[in-house]
Amino acid sequence: ETGVTQSPTHLIKTRGQQVTLRCSSQSGHNTVSWYQQALGQGPQFIFQYYREEENGRGNFPPRFSGLQFPNYSSELNVNALELDDSALYLCASSIPRGGDYGYTFGSGTRLTVV
Amino acid sequence: AQKITQTQPGMFVQEKEAVTLDCTYDTSDPSYGLFWYKQPSSGEMIFLIYQGSYDQQNATEGRYSLNFQKARKSANLVISASQLGDSAMYFCAMREGNSGGSNYKLTFGKGTLLTVNP
Repeated sequence: ETGVTQSPTHLIKTRGQQVTLRCSSQSGHNTVSWYQQALGQGPQFIFQYYREEENGRGNFPPRFSGLQFPNYSSELNVNALELDDSALYLCASSIPRGGDYGYTFGSGTRLTVV
Repeated sequence: AQKITQTQPGMFVQEKEAVTLDCTYDTSDPSYGLFWYKQPSSGEMIFLIYQGSYDQQNATEGRYSLNFQKARKSANLVISASQLGDSAMYFCAMREGNSGGSNYKLTFGKGTLLTVNP
């Protein structure tokens, strides 16, 4: 089975621009969540998509938005980029079930805003 | 209050020795899950071990074991027989709430950088 694939791996954007990050979920997983990891910090939950709808959101402004497609892949869109948006963005896929339903993470997209 | 606290920014261990990475958590939810992840410099989060709040026994996965002390709200990771490839960031994370619910947010600690010396 394939794992979680994220693209691009690295990206440099200018403040004020918009960016779209992509994530292909692991085969059989129907839930995708996105995390922002600033340098030297643990990942912070941005939001989660289940069956193409957002069903949970962390403390991030509305300029962070997302989509999930029928094949369960997902996009994270960030508008009006700020310098503090520079971070590693991680996507994780999972399937709702009890117990250890382990999330599978991608390798992330490293975004630099200049 | 911090939901997940990892008090060791960095740890050093000699190859082949055991090491314990500390994690304490804070929740009022009776149902929760605790995870440990390894993050090499390449960036991906690698799942190591999971402990459910109702599990009676400490979780073990190969060289990894979780020392779960529920009353103290601690979930320390023990790595036995350290290897050079174990050098990485290690994150403790918690999922709160009913695992059958729809929101599976993980809350992470700040991590511990483990360095294994030859």
